[in-house]
Parts: sequence; structure tokens; C-alpha cells
Amino acid sequence: NAGVMQNPRHLVRRRGQEARLRCSPMKGHSHVYWYRQLPEEGLKFMVYLQKENIIDESGMPKERFSAEFPKEGPSILRIQQVVRGDSAAYFCASSPLPPGDQPQHFGDGTRLSIL
Amino acid sequence: SQKIEQNSEALNIQEGKTATLTCNYTNYSPAYLQWYRQDPGRGPVFLLLIRENEKEKRKERLKVTFDTTLKQSLFHITASQPADSATYLCALDLGDTGRRALTFGSGTRLQVQP
Repeated sequence: NAGVMQNPRHLVRRRGQEARLRCSPMKGHSHVYWYRQLPEEGLKFMVYLQKENIIDESGMPKERFSAEFPKEGPSILRIQQVVRGDSAAYFCASSPLPPGDQPQHFGDGTRLSIL
Repeated sequence: SQKIEQNSEALNIQEGKTATLTCNYTNYSPAYLQWYRQDPGRGPVFLLLIRENEKEKRKERLKVTFDTTLKQSLFHITASQPADSATYLCALDLGDTGRRALTFGSGTRLQVQP
């Protein structure tokens, strides 16, 4: 059984470019979460999606950031016009049911570096 | 404001001893609390979940306690091994604030010396 797959593992962008991060949840999981982690810091919640719906985006910056989870295909976190402060590790997690007393399954993240 | 605090200083212990990590929270009333392990360059891996009506949970060498009066969870690893060296994260739900996702502490790094 494949776990949560994130790609690319490493992504380098220049300031002003766009970054697209992909996440394929575990089989049978329809709930996806994106987190951002800065060095020596904890995971910061960004957005929670269910198939074709954004459920909670309260942790995501209002500008330049967007997320989707289409009916077919992976979830995408998109960052437009990247800036140096966007450099971080971005983790995706999934679960089979809505958030509740159950674990979340994480991918190994995408490390985004902005030149 | 709501806060989750884990000891930011690394915990160094000798192999075979019990490691105890602390997670404190303020202004929350979580229905459950989770612990995860994170190795360098990897995503967090779920370890244990404890609900508000449970005082203690065990899994092999791991034990978690949850004191809703003190607003604290303790995470114990008995008979620690060098392979237990990692960063350990606690996570809470904020269901009573309307946030439908986990909120994580910043983690405590554990180093077990052989």
C-alpha cells in the first residue's frame, strides 16, 4: 500500500516564479491537509480539502497561495510570484474520514528553496 | 491566545533510561491529543492518540498521559534506544474553535546516547 506521495521532493524557484506542489493521498483517503514547516519550527496548518472542496483555508495566506483537490488527480498547492520567505518544507497529509480522533498520514514533504 | 508548548531544548538521555517529553497547552479544550515522530528530512509519523476521557494510553514501550485539568500531556519512552532519537511532536484538535485540523507544537528533539 503506497503512502502519501509528494512531488517533487525538492523544488528550486527564483523570486517571482510559480511553484506547484503535488500530493497524492493514500488510497481511499478523500481528506487532504497541507502544512508548512520552517526550520526548527513546528508544522503550521495551511488548508484542509475534501474532493473538489476547500473546507478550511484559515491557515493559508490570502494572496499568492491557492490549493485544489480535483475529482481526479492529486491535490495541488500553488504559490504564485514566490518570495524568499516562502522557502520551507511543505507537507501533505491525508485521512479516510473528516478530522477527528484518528491519525493523519503524512508524506515526506517538498522542500522549496527560493533563490 | 491559544498556545501549545513543548520543550524546545533537546533532551539527551542514556540508552536504557526512560525519556519523558512534555506538551502543555493553554486556552484549548481538545477532545483528543496525538503524538508524532519526525526524523530529519521525513514527514511526521503517527504514534499514539489519547482522548479527553482517557488518562493513559500504552503501546509497546510508549506511554502517553493526558491531564485535562493541568492541560498537559506526558509522553514516555521506556528502555530507550538510540533508534528512538528523533523529534517528537504533539498535536491537538481545535474543534472548539471551529478549526477543523490539527495544531502542532514545535516539537522536542530526543537524543539517546549509546
